[in-house]
Amino acid sequence: ETGVTQTPRHLVMGMTNKKSLKCEQHLGHNAMYWYKQSAKKPLELMFVYSLEERVENNSVPSRFSPECPNSSHLFLHLHTLQPEDSALYLCASSQDLYRSTDTQYFGPGTRLTVL
Amino acid sequence: AQTVTQSQPEMSVQEAETVTLSCTYDTSESDYYLFWYKQPPSRQMILVIRQEAYKQQNATENRFSVNFQKAAKSFSLKISDSQLGDAAMYFCAYRSSNAGGTSYGKLTFGQGTILTVHP
Repeated sequence: ETGVTQTPRHLVMGMTNKKSLKCEQHLGHNAMYWYKQSAKKPLELMFVYSLEERVENNSVPSRFSPECPNSSHLFLHLHTLQPEDSALYLCASSQDLYRSTDTQYFGPGTRLTVL
Repeated sequence: AQTVTQSQPEMSVQEAETVTLSCTYDTSESDYYLFWYKQPPSRQMILVIRQEAYKQQNATENRFSVNFQKAAKSFSLKISDSQLGDAAMYFCAYRSSNAGGTSYGKLTFGQGTILTVHP
């Protein structure tokens, strides 16, 4: 596979469930990102990792827990979510977070519905 | 903080015609990057075109070109010879130029413009 992949593509969960979203990049990049995309709102940056180190936690509730075991994989662990957390969750990667010409490449997203 | 505004929630164009999507931004910085991303119904966000603020020449990628007006803080996208496959949500985005070291530029996105292409 090439580019940035995300699984699952669709997820329905109850408020008491625990689930995880997975992102994998095949581009040899060093930085990875989680975004939340809600209807009629701009994309919201949630977390940023560079070389497996978290460099940004954009005031995200603790019910979202990211994990970056290596530079190719990024997870978003979900627990006790709220219905307002229903959204499209996008993963992205880029070559080098601190390089001026850095450009982000996105995965297809996971459509999350919280019942 | 930087802001990006796309004032057209929806646009439509006839196949083979030309359409221009608007984007304005607010910044006090002199060096930065601007992007247009396309998000088709398949949801994969695809980079369409990138413009460096220090370059006066407008970026072009095949049928896609931009009109970058730095003084006016305007960055519009022109799609020529529109095709059915161009139908998507288009996002304008801004990123600061990194100073290096431990600072980095976050992407700030506009609200998006839904483009419909009529056969």
